[in-house]
Amino acid sequence: DAGVTQSPTHLIKTRGQQVTLRCSPKSGHDTVSWYQQALGQGPQFIFQYYEEEERQRGNFPDRFSGHQFPNYSSELNVNALLLGDSALYLCASSLTGTAPEAFFGQGTRLTVV
Amino acid sequence: AQSVTQPDIHITVSEGASLELRCNYSYGATPYLFWYVQSPGQGLQLLLKYFSGDTLVQGIKGFEAEFKRSQSSFNLRKPSVHWSDAAEYFCAVGAREYGNKLVFGAGTILRVKS
Repeated sequence: DAGVTQSPTHLIKTRGQQVTLRCSPKSGHDTVSWYQQALGQGPQFIFQYYEEEERQRGNFPDRFSGHQFPNYSSELNVNALLLGDSALYLCASSLTGTAPEAFFGQGTRLTVV
Repeated sequence: AQSVTQPDIHITVSEGASLELRCNYSYGATPYLFWYVQSPGQGLQLLLKYFSGDTLVQGIKGFEAEFKRSQSSFNLRKPSVHWSDAAEYFCAVGAREYGNKLVFGAGTILRVKS
């Protein structure tokens, strides 16, 4: 079992650019959640995808969008990057209908310059 | 509003000493509670979880936590700390009523003195 995998591991982008991060959930899981972890802070919930639809969203602007594919993998897209978007982006997978036990990937470190 | 408070930003303990990391939560539903550990630049590893039943739960690496509903607390403990336990620890709360999203505390950085 490969667990939750994220790609890429590190990324450097320029302000104003767009970025796409990818996540493959743990085998058997159908729900993917994305979190942003700024330096020195706890993870903040961005949104959650289930059955290829955004089911729940945190307090993030529309520049943050996502997608879930039929194989349950997911993408996080961020448009018009700001310096403040620099963070570790964590993907978590879980199984809907069960208790919210989430398994996390290693994260993607995004640096905006 | 849902919130998790970890009052201690940093804690330093000597190797072999006992450890307690504090966590308090405010949640409008029956909570599920978690402790995660994060090494620098890494993802989150689940240490232990509480869903229901026995309020003292055992986790990996010799950690345990006790759920106290009257105090809205879920403190993490370890009787004897090892140098490899140095990391950042996050308390998190979730609930099915809120779609299983997790709300995290700000974390506690554990330093271990040899």
